[in-house]
Amino acid sequence: NAGVTQTPKFRVLKTGQSMTLLCAQDMNHEYMYWYRQDPGMGLRLIHYSVGEGTTAKGEVPDGYNVSRLKKQNFLLGLESAAPSQTSVYFCASSYPRGLVDEQFFGPGTRLTVL
Amino acid sequence: AQKVTQAQTEISVVEKEDVTLDCVYETRDTTYYLFWYKQPPSGELVFLIRRNSFDEQNEISGRYSWNFQKSTSSFNFTITASQVVDSAVYFCALSEALTGANSKLTFGKGITLSVRP
Repeated sequence: NAGVTQTPKFRVLKTGQSMTLLCAQDMNHEYMYWYRQDPGMGLRLIHYSVGEGTTAKGEVPDGYNVSRLKKQNFLLGLESAAPSQTSVYFCASSYPRGLVDEQFFGPGTRLTVL
Repeated sequence: AQKVTQAQTEISVVEKEDVTLDCVYETRDTTYYLFWYKQPPSGELVFLIRRNSFDEQNEISGRYSWNFQKSTSSFNFTITASQVVDSAVYFCALSEALTGANSKLTFGKGITLSVRP
């Protein structure tokens, strides 16, 4: 099993450009999440999905959109990138055993917006 | 709203020293879960432990141990006989058990641990 994979690993954008980050998991997990990690801020939840075709906003959703068309994939889109979106982005997935289960994280995508 | 505070930002120890990483949390729920994750210099996040609010037993796994005290809303992590490979950023996280089994995590800001040889 590859676990959680993220594409791309690195990306540099200019202000105003758009891009999509792809997250894929092969563990048949129901839940998927997108976080951003900034220095001194920990990880903050951007959007999440509790199943195919459903998405919801997290703590810092502005400037991002997501889609979960297939259970194994969770896409994060930036329509018009801003320097404030320079960050490391982590995708995670989990399968709820009982009420809450641990999240498995991808390796991260380092995004720089100039 | 839930909150996780990791007051220590950076800790530096010499190899073989014991070190405790503090985590204090806030939540209104009676049912919740606490986690610790490790982020080594390579950048990935590694799950270490999950603890639910009904289980206050301390846990030991090799050189790692966790002390959960509901009375002080703390979930502290101790590394015994630290090693250079323990150098990493450690995150404490909290999840409230919501209806519908939605495990949203709230992370602390992390503690950077440096273990010197």
